[in-house]
Amino acid sequence: DIQMTQSPSSLSASVGDRVTITCRASRSISSYLNWYQHKPGKAPKLLIYAASILQDGVPSRFSGSGSGTDFTLTISSLQPEDFATYYCQQSSTTPWTFGQGTQVEIK
Amino acid sequence: QVHLVQSGSEIKKPGASVMVSCKASGFTFSKFGISWVRQAPGQGLEWMGWISGFNGNRKYAKNLQGRVTMTTDTSTSTAYMELMSLRSDDTAVYYCARPKMVAGTLGIYYLDYWGQGTLVTVSS
Repeated sequence: DIQMTQSPSSLSASVGDRVTITCRASRSISSYLNWYQHKPGKAPKLLIYAASILQDGVPSRFSGSGSGTDFTLTISSLQPEDFATYYCQQSSTTPWTFGQGTQVEIK
Repeated sequence: QVHLVQSGSEIKKPGASVMVSCKASGFTFSKFGISWVRQAPGQGLEWMGWISGFNGNRKYAKNLQGRVTMTTDTSTSTAYMELMSLRSDDTAVYYCARPKMVAGTLGIYYLDYWGQGTLVTVSS
């Protein structure tokens, strides 16, 4: 199985900060990488697919990059509604696997 | 408008089985599949498997093989996930989600629509 490792596991940031979350795959997954935002009591929400394509309706402050084994999710200017847990997920091979999550908290 | 509506919360005893349903609307069910993802309390997201809406082909997570069965009823656009021999560590919120293939690719999938989640509690 492909292991997905996110860093950091959690971070504290202020509104307006630039936030970067990284995701590393245990072997190359090309661009088969998606990012989700998850808030308590809600369903996960797709933010980015195929490593860098912004899902319709997602604010442009979210962006994704990377290929192969190393990927990045960036929030250019953190907004109050962005405090949540973020997950990467690979769909290169089954079982599809998620990273362990990165919790973004208010500083 | 795409919607995935799941069945309600369940409380089960260890060793029992649970079936969670996921009714789809707003898209052609047979052209997509349904994937199932769960989240145990305080834990991250865990992919459980998926089933094709086209031909019923299935892929299950290895740690659930033998205990999980995913099915679809195309006449009602409903997917089902049955988990058997329940244990306390199966206590989780279970989500269904629609896998969509990136246009022009041969297998880059993402989960674009999700159900609201179903809490399954396993307790004696």
